[in-house]
Order: sequence, then C-alpha cells, then structure tokens
Amino acid sequence: QLQLQESGPGLVKPSETLSLICTVSGGSISSNNDYWAWVRQPPGKGLEWIGYIHFTGNTYYSPSLKSRVTISVDTSKNQFSLQLTSVTAADTAVYYCARRVVTTGGVDYWGQGALVTVSS
Amino acid sequence: DIQMTQSPSTLSASVGDRVTITCRASHSISYWLAWYQQKPGKAPKLLIYKASSLESGVPSRFSGSGSGTEFTLTISSLQPDDFATYYCQQYTTPSGAFGQGTKLEI
Repeated sequence: QLQLQESGPGLVKPSETLSLICTVSGGSISSNNDYWAWVRQPPGKGLEWIGYIHFTGNTYYSPSLKSRVTISVDTSKNQFSLQLTSVTAADTAVYYCARRVVTTGGVDYWGQGALVTVSS
Repeated sequence: DIQMTQSPSTLSASVGDRVTITCRASHSISYWLAWYQQKPGKAPKLLIYKASSLESGVPSRFSGSGSGTEFTLTISSLQPDDFATYYCQQYTTPSGAFGQGTKLEI
C-alpha cells in the first residue's frame, strides 16, 4: 500500500522560505507512470494545485505560484520536496503531497497533510 | 488560464436522494476532469477521473459525465457517508485548477 508523509516546519516567518518534504513508502518514486504533486488548502477554504514533478525531473507549476515555487525529487531517498519563497500570511495552509497517475490524471494517493502557518 | 466553476456551492439533501453537482470550465478541457470527495480534517479522495471513469473501490452510486466545458457528478441514492464537500479538477494544463467546492449537507 502506497503511503505519503509530509514533514517540515509548522511555522515560517513572513518573507522566508517554506520547505516541505514528502516521503513515499510502499512503492518507488521512480515510476514512469506517476507524477508527484503538491496541493494546498488554506483553513476553511478550497483546494489549490501547486505543481508536480516526474522522477526524471520534469516539473509543472501552477502559473499563479510559478515565480515562487520549486519542486524537486530525490530518488535515492524516495522523497520529493516543495520550496515556496517569500511567504506571506496568505500562504498559511494545509499542504498535501500526493501521487497523480500519468495515464489517468487522477490524484489517487494523498498524504495526511501538514499545516504550515506563516507568522512572525 | 482555465477557470473551474462549480454549482451549487451548497446543496441540502436527504438520504436516498439523487443529487447532481455541475462543474463548468472556462475553456474546453476535453475529458480531462476529476472529481474528489473531502471530509473535514481529511485529505481528498478520488472518485472519478477522465470525466466518467470510476476509481477502483468507489461505490457505483457515484457517476460522472460530460466533456468539453460542462461536467456533472451524480450520486444516485445518497448515503449518510456521502455528506461531504466535493471538488472538480481539470488537468489539461499545469495549473490543475480546482472548482471552489460544493458542500453537500443534510
């Protein structure tokens, strides 16, 4: 059974960089048929797609966040990561890592989510 | 970029009802649309992909239809476990935009 787990600081100061890691277990991140994605959800609000990466390193970012986002992959550790620069209070959210299947497009496995608060 | 609009935002229904949620795309997305169910404090759950394909393990009372710019999610007979928030998502572009959500309440 594939499992994903987010980890990282729960509190980040304004203007600093938010960094999260997603550890994948029960399967290999080096699958041709999988993308590895980040999605966020501000408290009480809807879902926002951040972007995704293939193990080959190809990345795809949402235009609204593209200038501040970097997603990278470490196949040796079966992990992928998210960096979001110059954060503000508007970046406070639950951040989910997830798997998107290349052939179907559906996001079928999700982490439990990590709340990141931006505050001084 | 492609915008996704769901309606209604809130839907009140009863156990046994048939309900339909609509999702409209600002540009054609062919059939590249998924539906998710989310309960409070939990990650979303994939219900439907490619507009009408039922994800493995999802009850057959859930169905999806549509193509181009208009899509629907139908629950044929509501069960107590179905009261949740539902989101559509397009994945024809990297933005992967979600609809704003439809809260299904008793």
